[in-house]
Amino acid sequence: DAGITQSPRYKITETGRQVTLMCHQTWSHSYMFWYRQDLGHGLRLIYYSAAADITDKGEVSDGYVVSRSKTENFPLTLESATRSQTSVYFCACGDGGVNYGYTFGSGTRLTVV
Amino acid sequence: AQRVTQPEKLLSVFKGAPVELKCNYSYSGSPELFWYVQYSRQRLQLLLRHISRESIKGFTADLNKGETSFHLKKPFAQEEDSAMYYCALSGSGTASKLTFGTGTRLQVTL
Repeated sequence: DAGITQSPRYKITETGRQVTLMCHQTWSHSYMFWYRQDLGHGLRLIYYSAAADITDKGEVSDGYVVSRSKTENFPLTLESATRSQTSVYFCACGDGGVNYGYTFGSGTRLTVV
Repeated sequence: AQRVTQPEKLLSVFKGAPVELKCNYSYSGSPELFWYVQYSRQRLQLLLRHISRESIKGFTADLNKGETSFHLKKPFAQEEDSAMYYCALSGSGTASKLTFGTGTRLQVTL
């Protein structure tokens, strides 16, 4: 199916563990993004990527790592999970052209205990 | 730096009443403005873009550069409009990162 998919939908992990959230898109859009959604903060940008092998930090990147070896995948890794990283994580992608605006995935609800 | 402000966390209106969700922005260049909507526990969906001047589900938004605002309006609220609404901004010219406001929850009651 065409679109943008995130996995897993739900994840519970322990403090200090490494966890990777996956994001896959089928359109070959250049731009991909990771946001976290928290009550009172709205959506905050963690990392973004303009193309394969090009990534840049957003406003809340500490404790997170990304990679983009292939255009269609943009995994987000929490190197050592902390309780403050409990959140809903959204991946998004866009082509950066006339069809401005981005398409979001369904989100991953991560709980760090 | 770019910033988006949505001053209201919650807006409660009666069905059939007019709706105005406020959005103000700060950006040094010419911005691209968007409204996204998120229904309960669903993904964010693009509602409208200022560049296309469209009307989606009865909602409209006009970019006012003098007041640096992009308020979302609908003349008659419906129950199904109840959702979280986010205003977002991107730099003009080329696609770049979207900066979101903190969101406003619209609650439409009978």
